[in-house]
Amino acid sequence: EIVMTQSPATLSVSPGERATLSCRASQSVNTYLAWYQQKPGQAPRLLIYGASTRATGVPARFSGSGSGTDFTLTISSLQSEDFASYYCQQYDTWPPGVSFGQGTRLEIK
Amino acid sequence: EVQLVESGGGLVQPGRSLRLSCAASGFTFDDYAMHWVRQAPGKGLEWVSGITWNGGSVGYADSVKGRFTISRDNDKKSLFLQMDSLRPDDTALYFCVVGDYYVGWGQGTLVSVSS
Repeated sequence: EIVMTQSPATLSVSPGERATLSCRASQSVNTYLAWYQQKPGQAPRLLIYGASTRATGVPARFSGSGSGTDFTLTISSLQSEDFASYYCQQYDTWPPGVSFGQGTRLEIK
Repeated sequence: EVQLVESGGGLVQPGRSLRLSCAASGFTFDDYAMHWVRQAPGKGLEWVSGITWNGGSVGYADSVKGRFTISRDNDKKSLFLQMDSLRPDDTALYFCVVGDYYVGWGQGTLVSVSS
């Protein structure tokens, strides 16, 4: 099973600043990596797939990069609605399995 | 627009069974893999199980292997999760999701396992 490790667990950033979230895989997942945003009381929302492709309707301030084992989600200028939890997911091993990171909570500084 | 509506959750005693259902619309159901993802209260996302478009391949998390069974009915555009031998640590909100990466999510159905 591929283990996904996100860092940091909590990130405190001021509105308007840049946020950088990391995700590391225990073995290569090529670019089969997705990022999700989840706000309290809501279902997650797909932000990025294929490591760097923005999903439909996702603002350009969100960008993804990386391949193999190391990935980054960057939010270039934080808006109030961006403070949420973020999860990475690898789907390189589907079928038969996929795995999520434990999440990064992005909070207002 | 992708719509996924889960049902079948509830309060159940340890060791008992539940069957979750997911009704899909807004996309060509039999073109896509389908999965179940859960989230325990205050915790992160955990992949539970998945099934390919034709049911030819299925997968399970180690935590549910041998207890849960995933299935689908493409004619009825429905996904199912049979959950047997339920344990307290299965308590979670269960989401139905579509695709290899999850472009669509339901709102979830809550499963509570407690005596």
